[in-house]
Amino acid sequence: EVQLVESGGGLEQPGGSLRLSCAASGFTFTNYEMNWVRQAPGKGLEWVAYISSSAGSIYYADSVKGRFTISRDNAKNSLYMQMNSLRAEDTAVYYCARGWKYFDYWGQGTLVTVSS
Amino acid sequence: EIVMTQSPATLSVSPGERATLSCRASQSVSSNLAWYQQKPGQAPRLLMYDTSTRATGVPARFSGSGSGTEFTLTISSLQSEDFAVYYCQQCNNWPRTFGQGTKVEIK
Repeated sequence: EVQLVESGGGLEQPGGSLRLSCAASGFTFTNYEMNWVRQAPGKGLEWVAYISSSAGSIYYADSVKGRFTISRDNAKNSLYMQMNSLRAEDTAVYYCARGWKYFDYWGQGTLVTVSS
Repeated sequence: EIVMTQSPATLSVSPGERATLSCRASQSVSSNLAWYQQKPGQAPRLLMYDTSTRATGVPARFSGSGSGTEFTLTISSLQSEDFAVYYCQQCNNWPRTFGQGTKVEIK
């Protein structure tokens, strides 16, 4: 069974940093592209970042470019998101999601709240 | 960036009735469109990809159609478990973009 489990969310002050993790199991992680998608409270879905299976290709949404860094450790079956210079508008549930075109498996999400 | 626009924002439907959800792209995405279902407190679930291919385990009452800039998700006979928010997503260009969602509620 495919499982994606996010962790690392929490309350952080504006300008602060957080590192999200996503532990993958039930599939060959090294063969799949991965993404972070977020959802602000009561709002829709926003794709945030993509990383190819080998980490050779990485894309970001303009809203996070230069502040967030996506990475992966294939030996640990894990996906990461380093989030720096956090803003109030980054408050959201962050999901890791598998896929390149469409996202066929999603984690349960981790809540990031940016507030003073 | 491709802007995805869904209509209507809310659709009130009685159980057993047909529901038709629309999604429009600001430029052609060919057939590279996906649909997701999200229930309160849950992660989104992939329903449809490549416009009309049902994801694993998705019932046949869900169907997708369209190409280019106009797409439709049809639920032929709404069941209680289908009341949720539905999002379209274009898979043709980066950044991947979603519509704002259509909430299907019980009439």
